[in-house]
Amino acid sequence: AQSVTQPDIHITVSEGASLELRCNYSYGATPYLFWYVQSPGQGLQLLLKYFSGDTLVQGIKGFEAEFKRSQSSFNLRKPSVHWSDAAEYFCAVGGEADYKLSFGAGTTVTVRA
Amino acid sequence: DSGVTQTPKHLITATGQRVTLRCSPRSGDLSVYWYQQSLDQGLQFLIQYYNGEERAKGNILERFSAQQFPDLHSELNLSSLELGDSALYFCASSPQGRGYNEQFFGPGTRLTVL
Repeated sequence: AQSVTQPDIHITVSEGASLELRCNYSYGATPYLFWYVQSPGQGLQLLLKYFSGDTLVQGIKGFEAEFKRSQSSFNLRKPSVHWSDAAEYFCAVGGEADYKLSFGAGTTVTVRA
Repeated sequence: DSGVTQTPKHLITATGQRVTLRCSPRSGDLSVYWYQQSLDQGLQFLIQYYNGEERAKGNILERFSAQQFPDLHSELNLSSLELGDSALYFCASSPQGRGYNEQFFGPGTRLTVL
């Protein structure tokens, strides 16, 4: 069965500092991996996705993620965080033979001035 | 704006009642997915429709049902509501039913059962 683990429930980071959110997945075939962001009271917005090819993927809002098959990880990074990045971040996995996405529990990011 | 619309934004009702949530997918998308987001269960997949047909079922209760109409909009029906059904219900759409699985999410309907 597919699953996603986001080990960090809550992360606090200073504005301008770097951010890394961890994601580990379990999937029996070739995974499709996604990071979504949810701002308070909003829906989920896709930040980036990995289907195949270059394992370092660039997304919107200055985010990037690296797929590491050997570690079953797809960690999200941003070099310099802005106050507007405060939100909840979800990692998700799907696949060629799947219809649904399985989401992690989410990581809440707080940005302090 | 993802292009996926959901109505209503908020819904407050009482236990035992029945409600209908509506979703219009992005133009051209054939597949619609429903998810439930609650504090204790997180984001859970409920059901998927592709071009009017049910394609996959997740953790959907028997009290819940859905359908997709010829114009591709979808409705999620929740009946005999319980306090525990209070949650944010998201609809998502994608161009196809599988493979290219990028899903675009609507703003959600917040259901409160009193």
